[in-house]
Amino acid sequence: AQSVAQPEDQVNVAEGNPLTVKCTYSVSGNPYLFWYVQYPNRGLQFLLKYITGDNLVKGSYGFEAEFNKSQTSFHLKKPSALVSDSALYFCAVRGTTGGFKTIFGAGTRLFVKA
Amino acid sequence: DVKVTQSSRYLVKRTGEKVFLECVQDMDHENMFWYRQDPGLGLRLIYFSYDVKMKEKGDIPEGYSVSREKKERFSLILESASTNQTSMYLCASSFDSGRTEAFFGQGTRLTVV
Repeated sequence: AQSVAQPEDQVNVAEGNPLTVKCTYSVSGNPYLFWYVQYPNRGLQFLLKYITGDNLVKGSYGFEAEFNKSQTSFHLKKPSALVSDSALYFCAVRGTTGGFKTIFGAGTRLFVKA
Repeated sequence: DVKVTQSSRYLVKRTGEKVFLECVQDMDHENMFWYRQDPGLGLRLIYFSYDVKMKEKGDIPEGYSVSREKKERFSLILESASTNQTSMYLCASSFDSGRTEAFFGQGTRLTVV
């Protein structure tokens, strides 16, 4: 069965410090991996994705994520956090076999303090 | 700019009412989805559609039905609303079913009283 785990409900960082939001997954076949961000009372916005190729992918607003096949992880990172990065972040995964449903994690709330 | 539009931002309905949530996309996407979002549970798929008049059940279809008569429009129907259907409902569309990202509407916060 496909699954996504975001082990931290909340991540707190100071502005200017690096941030990491963790995601691990389990799928059939190769994974397609996504990160989305949700601001209050809004829908989800796409940040970045890994389909194939380079394990380090870069996305919107200075975010990047590293695909690690051996650890089945896809952690979201940013070198220097901004207060405006405070939001709810979702990791999502779809496997290349066993159906085409995309599974979302429970979400991690990021707080960036000034 | 791509757009997924949900007909209402906030709805309050009474228990037992039939409720319609409408979603329209302007990107000519084949696939459309309905999710509900609850704290600590992430997004759970209710139904999806990969073509006009085609639909598939997601993880939590009970108490819901859908309609897709035109490519751009995907409706979620609560046949008889119950208080446990109070939630945020998100519509999304995508060009294909896995490799491309989904585009989401702004969400409908439904309260059933």
